[in-house]
Amino acid sequence: EIVLTQSPGTLSLSPGERATLSCRASQSVSSSYLAWYQQKPGQAPRLLIYVASSRATGIPDRFSGSGSGTDFTLTISRLEPEDFAVYYCQEYGTSPQYIFGQGTRLEIK
Amino acid sequence: QVQLQESGPGLVKPSETLSLTCTVSGGSISVYYWSWLRQPPGKGLEWIGYIYKTGITNYNPSVKSRVTMSVDTSKNQFSLRLSSVTAADTAVYYCARGQGSMLDYWGQGTLVTVSS
Repeated sequence: EIVLTQSPGTLSLSPGERATLSCRASQSVSSSYLAWYQQKPGQAPRLLIYVASSRATGIPDRFSGSGSGTDFTLTISRLEPEDFAVYYCQEYGTSPQYIFGQGTRLEIK
Repeated sequence: QVQLQESGPGLVKPSETLSLTCTVSGGSISVYYWSWLRQPPGKGLEWIGYIYKTGITNYNPSVKSRVTMSVDTSKNQFSLRLSSVTAADTAVYYCARGQGSMLDYWGQGTLVTVSS
C-alpha cells in the first residue's frame, strides 16, 4: 500500500504570499492518479487539482499542481484570505482505491 | 449541478450497525462509481469503499469484513452499512462521486457518533 506524506504539517503565511505544499509517495505514482483537495472547517473537501496538474472546474488559476514519480507539489501563487484551509493529496490506487495524505494546514501568520 | 446528500441516524450504539443513505440529484447514479468516506473528528480522510450501478463493490481492507454497500438506481440512492461499530467508527461520513482517479462531487457530510 502506498503511503502519502505531506509536508509541512502546518504552514503559516500571510495573504499575498506564495504557498508551496509537498506530497511525497512511498513508491512511484502515475501523475494521472494524483489529486489535491481543499477542506475548510465544517465543510466537505473540494477537488482542486486532478491528474497532478489540471485545475478542477471553477478553481482559480492561482492554484497549480506539478510533480511526477514520488514528489508532487501544490502551489498557491498569491494567497487570498479564503485560501487558508487544510489541503490533502490523494492517490488512486488498487487496494485501497483512494489513499489520502495526512493533510497540510495552511494558517494565517 | 450534481448534488449529494447523506442521511441516517447520528447516534449508533456500540456493537450495532451504522446505516447511511446518499441521495444523488442533478445527475444519474447509473454512471460513475459512488464512494463512501469518513473523517474522525480532527483527523484525516479515509476511503471506505465504492459501488457501481451493477452492484460491483470495492472496499478498503481496513473495514472490508464489516462493510456492505448497496445501490438503488430507481431512487438514485446508494447506501452504507457498517456492522459491529465501536467508538473508533465515530466520524463525519461523506458520500462522493468517483470520476476516474478523482472524487469530484461530495455530500456535505453527516456526523455519526458511536456511544451508548
